[in-house]
Amino acid sequence: EAQVTQNPRYLITVTGKKLTVTCSQNMNHEYMSWYRQDPGLGLRQIYYSMNVEVTDKGDVPEGYKVSRKEKRNFPLILESPSPNQTSLYFCASSAGVSTEAFFGQGTRLTVV
Amino acid sequence: RKEVEQDPGPFNVPEGATVAFNCTYSNSASQSFFWYRQDCRKEPKLLMSVYSSGNEDGRFTAQLNRASQYISLLIRDSKLSDSATYLCVVNRGGYQKVTFGIGTKLQVIP
Repeated sequence: EAQVTQNPRYLITVTGKKLTVTCSQNMNHEYMSWYRQDPGLGLRQIYYSMNVEVTDKGDVPEGYKVSRKEKRNFPLILESPSPNQTSLYFCASSAGVSTEAFFGQGTRLTVV
Repeated sequence: RKEVEQDPGPFNVPEGATVAFNCTYSNSASQSFFWYRQDCRKEPKLLMSVYSSGNEDGRFTAQLNRASQYISLLIRDSKLSDSATYLCVVNRGGYQKVTFGIGTKLQVIP
């Protein structure tokens, strides 16, 4: 089954404690991206990757890091989480930027 | 001006009604346009792509107006199951970024 898998689905952490949200896709897609969704602000792109070892900033990259060492995986790293990073996060993949995006089920992160 | 703008609603319509949403975009070089549907607290899923010539899929019709820089989604004969948030998505031409609108919430009532 074609899918994008994010883990964990729910996470509560404390300010400053490094965390990683994993994202994996099994569709051999080249384009992957991370979004955060906040009430009243919609989905905003954090980082995207056009292929292995190629990543670039989206609209809200501050406080986040990503890596793309393998085509299927695109982890999101928060080196020092802060309460303003409390949000619903989605990973997505697609064959290209102009094609259908498939989303993971989301990770609800709370930073206290 | 925001890059992609949508009326957040909510639009409350009776079953069987026809409802239309618009989405305006600011970058005239934008090339790809989509409508996604998102159910509460779930991941967005593609509803339909929007082509220059317009396209239809059952009760759903999407259109693109490049001169006025907006896309539209028309839903005919609304069903209770159409209740969701509809997200407008634009790929800005020349860039690899994707911009989502804030979404329009539709509630179909019996």
